[in-house]
Amino acid sequence: DAKTTQPNSMESNEEEPVHLPCNHSTISGTDYIHWYRQLPSQGPEYVIHGLTSNVNNRMASLAIAEDRKSSTLILHRATLRDAAVYYCILRAPPGGSEKLVFGKGTKLTVNP
Amino acid sequence: AAGVIQSPRHLIKEKRETATLKCYPIPRHDTVYWYQQGPGQDPQFLISFYEKMQSDKGSIPDRFSAQQFSDYHSELNMSSLELGDSALYFCASSFQNSAKNIQYFGAGTRLSVL
Repeated sequence: DAKTTQPNSMESNEEEPVHLPCNHSTISGTDYIHWYRQLPSQGPEYVIHGLTSNVNNRMASLAIAEDRKSSTLILHRATLRDAAVYYCILRAPPGGSEKLVFGKGTKLTVNP
Repeated sequence: AAGVIQSPRHLIKEKRETATLKCYPIPRHDTVYWYQQGPGQDPQFLISFYEKMQSDKGSIPDRFSAQQFSDYHSELNMSSLELGDSALYFCASSFQNSAKNIQYFGAGTRLSVL
């Protein structure tokens, strides 16, 4: 399973943007980059995913480096509800292994 | 919208006892995954089923077994429980043929082995 590296923790203030980095230098050409988050006392929750192009959805944006060796999850205006552990996960394309391999993740603290 | 339902939410067992955890996927989802999350740890994949057949296997102890039934619900059976089995057990479901193949997680079952 391809490995990802994320900072252990990050801190932000409410209503400010947050950029959560992820390094995945051994990513293969067909791996998708997925982000999940786990709020306290809850199961993980899908945030966003992409392959090569930057992606936006109602929750966040995903910026993928041109060489795909790194990516950044962007929360445009952090709220207290965004305090969670954020996981960057590489997944095989559909038809391959569908399991999620969780690494250490980044614990995001949002200050009021 | 219907979510993944896990039962029970909490379970307390003694060492060497058995436990059965149940998972009801989102309607029309055909794939179920089981994950274990120890205290202060990250979720670890145990096993998955697609259309009632085992599709992948992680670091699941031989004391554990699981299956997916005709109505797509799944059960994780754990025997000869050990103290180290105390953890949160999450079930997730997905629709395999979806382009995104997002996994939707349940709220988990917290198992405490005394």
